[in-house]
Amino acid sequence: GAVVSQHPSWVICKSGTSVKIECRSLDFQATTMFWYRQFPKQSLMLMATSNEGSKATYEQGVEKDKFLINHASLTLSTLTVTSAHPEDSSFYICSAGEDRGTYEQYFGPGTRLTVT
Amino acid sequence: AQSVTQLGSHVSVSEGALVLLRCNYSSSVPPYLFWYVQYPNQGLQLLLKYTSAATLVKGINGFEAEFKKSETSFHLTKPSAHMSDAAEYFCAVSDPGYSTLTFGKGTMLLVSP
Repeated sequence: GAVVSQHPSWVICKSGTSVKIECRSLDFQATTMFWYRQFPKQSLMLMATSNEGSKATYEQGVEKDKFLINHASLTLSTLTVTSAHPEDSSFYICSAGEDRGTYEQYFGPGTRLTVT
Repeated sequence: AQSVTQLGSHVSVSEGALVLLRCNYSSSVPPYLFWYVQYPNQGLQLLLKYTSAATLVKGINGFEAEFKKSETSFHLTKPSAHMSDAAEYFCAVSDPGYSTLTFGKGTMLLVSP
């Protein structure tokens, strides 16, 4: 149980284009979903937290107009990187949490974005 | 504010040797603590978690960790390392009642034959 999927697992796009990454909780309802960014050999940096049906809460320094997050249902959240630039190349990981007291997060497998 | 310090960006052990990965935390309230493992180009897998029950927590793959409030530590151990344990390990902390995790910088475990 508690499986989170991400699609695509990797994507290459040209500078100036937009890319959408999907995060799905497959066997549970996720009250909250999180988006992280991880640079090579570094830790995960929280980008934003989203709750179903409401606007995402972005961490300081994260451009909300560039990284659009939509949490349309209890099983799906999307991250759209708009007008991508090479510096947006990174490993993006989502996680989903269900409110069962321990607030455990279940992580997706990640999406490798390369902007050329 | 919470913070997590993982001592040692890299730890090298021989196969069969004891694994000890250190984690110290800072939190204004009794925290929830987690250890995750990450294999290359993959997401994070939960190894174990402390949520204010037993202070010695057993996880998957033979790992365990002990919550020591007096030392503000949550070190991860495994009696005998296996080659398949080679990966990046992250310690994380959250406040009870809040779902946001704060991660340490990670420790790369290297296992030599």
